[in-house]
Amino acid sequence: DTEVTQTPKHLVMGMTNKKSLKCEQHMGHRAMYWYKQKAKKPPELMFVYSYEKLSINESVPSRFSPECPNSSLLNLHLHALQPEDSALYLCASSQDRYEQYFGPGTRLTVT
Amino acid sequence: TQLLEQSPQFLSIQEGENLTVYCNSSSVFSSLQWYRQEPGEGPVLLVTVVTGGEVKKLKRLTFQFGDARKDSSLHITAAQPGDTGLYLCAGGGTSYGKLTFGQGTILTVHP
Repeated sequence: DTEVTQTPKHLVMGMTNKKSLKCEQHMGHRAMYWYKQKAKKPPELMFVYSYEKLSINESVPSRFSPECPNSSLLNLHLHALQPEDSALYLCASSQDRYEQYFGPGTRLTVT
Repeated sequence: TQLLEQSPQFLSIQEGENLTVYCNSSSVFSSLQWYRQEPGEGPVLLVTVVTGGEVKKLKRLTFQFGDARKDSSLHITAAQPGDTGLYLCAGGGTSYGKLTFGQGTILTVHP
């Protein structure tokens, strides 16, 4: 089973709202990732958690706040977003440094 | 900074035709992944190659990793409309968790 699940599938939020994206994997993978993807472009890495600790932050604005409550769960807390933050947000996990398995994504629209 | 040049960016062909997508770099990668992504969905891992000169086949898809591990190709035989999507190559380097993505190839197969 190589399934990564993400909720919600779609999210519309205003610039003053606070919302959270959720990601879950039950493959026992030790690393989890958040990516942002614009239409027809490759994913851009935002954060990497390894063994539940934040190991990479790609200079992401503080209005994005990641959280890893346990080895299976990854959250992305959103606050005071801008319209240009509208994108597909992808979660991925991996057991080693080679293969990353992606979830279906959350389509975020900021109004 | 590692870069992956993926070509072509767009490919529009008729059902039954063959095609090849290329990923090239001046850097050596420890692994090379190929993903296929449909609109609004997450990338799906097709294959991982790690050994220079490696060739892997997945039904009508053939993947090659260059001898020097700097380039890779994806060849599709007798393309079908179901092959339509965004194809992404991604190279794994020395930094754990960081993949270098190519810019993607948007493939459209017309019935």
